[in-house]
Amino acid sequence: QKEVEQNSGPLSVPEGAIASLNCTYSDRGSQSFFWYRQYSGKSPELIMFIYSNGDKEDGRFTAQLNKASQYVSLLIRDSQPSDSATYLCAVLNTGNQFYFGTGTSLTVIP
Amino acid sequence: DTEVTQTPKHLVMGMTNKKSLKCEQHMGHRAMYWYKQKAKKPPELMFVYSYEKLSINESVPSRFSPECPNSSLLNLHLHALQPEDSALYLCASSQTRAAINTGELFFGEGSRLTVL
Repeated sequence: QKEVEQNSGPLSVPEGAIASLNCTYSDRGSQSFFWYRQYSGKSPELIMFIYSNGDKEDGRFTAQLNKASQYVSLLIRDSQPSDSATYLCAVLNTGNQFYFGTGTSLTVIP
Repeated sequence: DTEVTQTPKHLVMGMTNKKSLKCEQHMGHRAMYWYKQKAKKPPELMFVYSYEKLSINESVPSRFSPECPNSSLLNLHLHALQPEDSALYLCASSQTRAAINTGELFFGEGSRLTVL
C-alpha cells in the first residue's frame, strides 16, 4: 500500500464549477497535510495546509481533513482556467518524512 | 525572504561531464532536500540533509553526490550520468525544531537537466 494515494485523473470541470480533489494516506499518526499546485514545467507551490480535523478555507480553496477516515480533500470553488494544473497531496508522517501522492491533473474548460 | 534559489535553471551535459547543481536558502531552515521529477510523475526523494548531515539517501546511484557545505547551501554533484537521468531536479527546505519538521516544504524553481 502506498503512503499517499490520489486519483490521477485527468479531472475536467467547466469554468465556474467546483473541482474536488481527494487523497488518502496510510500512516494513521500523520499530523500535517499539504496541497501543492504544479504547473507544467514548474516547481510545486503550496496552496493549502491543514493540521486539524474539519474544514479550512482560503479564498476559493477549502481543504478538508478527516483523520478517522485517513482522508484529505481539496475543493476549488468557481474554478478558473488558470487553476488547470497538477495538484499534489503531501503528508508529513510519523517518521517525520514528507510523502507525495501521484498527483491529480485538473483541466478547467472555459 | 521565503525563497529557495536553484542554479542553473537549465543544464545540458554529456555522459562524461562533471557538473553541479546548486541550491541556496536563507530562511534558517535546517532540513534540505533533493528531489528528482520526471514528466507527469510526482517528485521522488533523493537525499535529505538535517542540520548539515546526510540523514536520508534513497538508494540513489553514486553518480549523484550531494554536499551540504553549510546551513544555507546544498549542492548536487553529477558525474557520468545516463540519458535516463534527464529530469527536473528540485531542491526544497523545511523548518525544523529539534530535527522535527514543523511546516511545509519550500521548493526552488528546479534545474532542468538534459543528459545527451
